[in-house]
Amino acid sequence: DGGITQSPKYLFRKEGQNVTLSCEQNLNHDAMYWYRQDPGQGLRLIYYSQIVNDFQKGDIAEGYSVSREKKESFPLTVTSAQKNPTAFYLCASSEQSGANVLTFGAGSRLTVL
Amino acid sequence: KQEVTQIPAALSVPEGENLVLNCSFTDSAIYNLQWFRQDPGKGLTSLLLIQSSQREQTSGRLNASLDKSSGRSTLYIAASQPGDSATYLCAVRPVGDMRFGAGTRLTVKP
Repeated sequence: DGGITQSPKYLFRKEGQNVTLSCEQNLNHDAMYWYRQDPGQGLRLIYYSQIVNDFQKGDIAEGYSVSREKKESFPLTVTSAQKNPTAFYLCASSEQSGANVLTFGAGSRLTVL
Repeated sequence: KQEVTQIPAALSVPEGENLVLNCSFTDSAIYNLQWFRQDPGKGLTSLLLIQSSQREQTSGRLNASLDKSSGRSTLYIAASQPGDSATYLCAVRPVGDMRFGAGTRLTVKP
């Protein structure tokens, strides 16, 4: 079945550590996105990529980094520079950026101890 | 900057009731509007997508409408069931990235 796989589902991190969240899709979608969700707030865009080897910052990119070396993979690194990293992270993809349906993964919950 | 607001933030109804969830947005220049369902601790599942040229979409007991000129969309759920309990989010795609509302948390009581 086609879809988006995020891993790990739960992750705990000590302050000062970098962690990487995985996002893999087998939908042959061109565009991929990372969102952050906090309680009582709408999803906020961290980074997005419209094509391999290219990505753009979203509204809250500070303290995060991404790469897009393969069409199917868009990993997100939460660096120690992110001051409040505890959140639910959602990866999504669409056929192209623009007027297409977004498909989401199941999410990864990061907790900083 | 596009702002998306969903009212109410939470709603509790008895089983069988018809209900309406509201979504408003500040900039009518959008490509589409999408309604999602999110169960606790899970990702988002797309329910309905309305392109900017459309006025409504239907899927089973769900009907979504779009009025671009007034910056509003409604999600109508007919004959609600306990399995409908979830958070419902709307999102608009303007020129640029998608903008999400904070969601309406729906509880349907048996």
